[in-house]
Amino acid sequence: NAGVTQTPKFRILKIGQSMTLQCAQDMNHNYMYWYRQDPGMGLKLIYYSVGAGITDKGEVPNGYNVSRSTTEDFPLRLELAAPSQTSVYFCASSLEGRDEKLFFGSGTQLSVL
Amino acid sequence: GEDVEQSLFLSVREGDSSVINCTYTDSSSTYLYWYKQEPGAGLQLLTYIFSNMDMKQDQRLTVLLNKKDKHLSLRIADTQTGDSAIYFCAESIGDYKLSFGAGTTVTVRA
Repeated sequence: NAGVTQTPKFRILKIGQSMTLQCAQDMNHNYMYWYRQDPGMGLKLIYYSVGAGITDKGEVPNGYNVSRSTTEDFPLRLELAAPSQTSVYFCASSLEGRDEKLFFGSGTQLSVL
Repeated sequence: GEDVEQSLFLSVREGDSSVINCTYTDSSSTYLYWYKQEPGAGLQLLTYIFSNMDMKQDQRLTVLLNKKDKHLSLRIADTQTGDSAIYFCAESIGDYKLSFGAGTTVTVRA
């Protein structure tokens, strides 16, 4: 099993550009999450999904969108990139959700200039 | 509230014990977690404790939970250079969500 795979690992965007961060898991997990990590701060939940076709907002959803058309994939879309979205983005998954043992991808480092 | 607080830095000599402390706010948290993040990598679950336990030991790791004070600690015995990493405390804040602290950067010196 590859676990949770994120692409790309690094990306530089110009202000106003759009991009999609990809996330895929091969563990047949129902729950998937997107977090952002800013220096000196804990991870902040952007969006999460409890199963295919179901998504919900986390703490910091503004400026982002997600979709969950399959169990495996949970892409995160930035429509109009802003410097405030410069961060490291982590995708995570868990099997049942209730026990909250998360498996994380290796992250995407995004800079918006 | 959902704030998890932990000190930002800890320096420890190789072979000594490390103690990382955390305070949390949600008294209804079911589980409390410690995650480890090595440079350039995602977080990995290190250990966790169920809220009705006071202590959990797992090889070199000991987790202590004081529910009255909402205080969680992680002790690493015989700290090694491979233990240098950022350690995140996290509490469950719902059926499927976690609240993370800012992380404690542990540096192991020879």
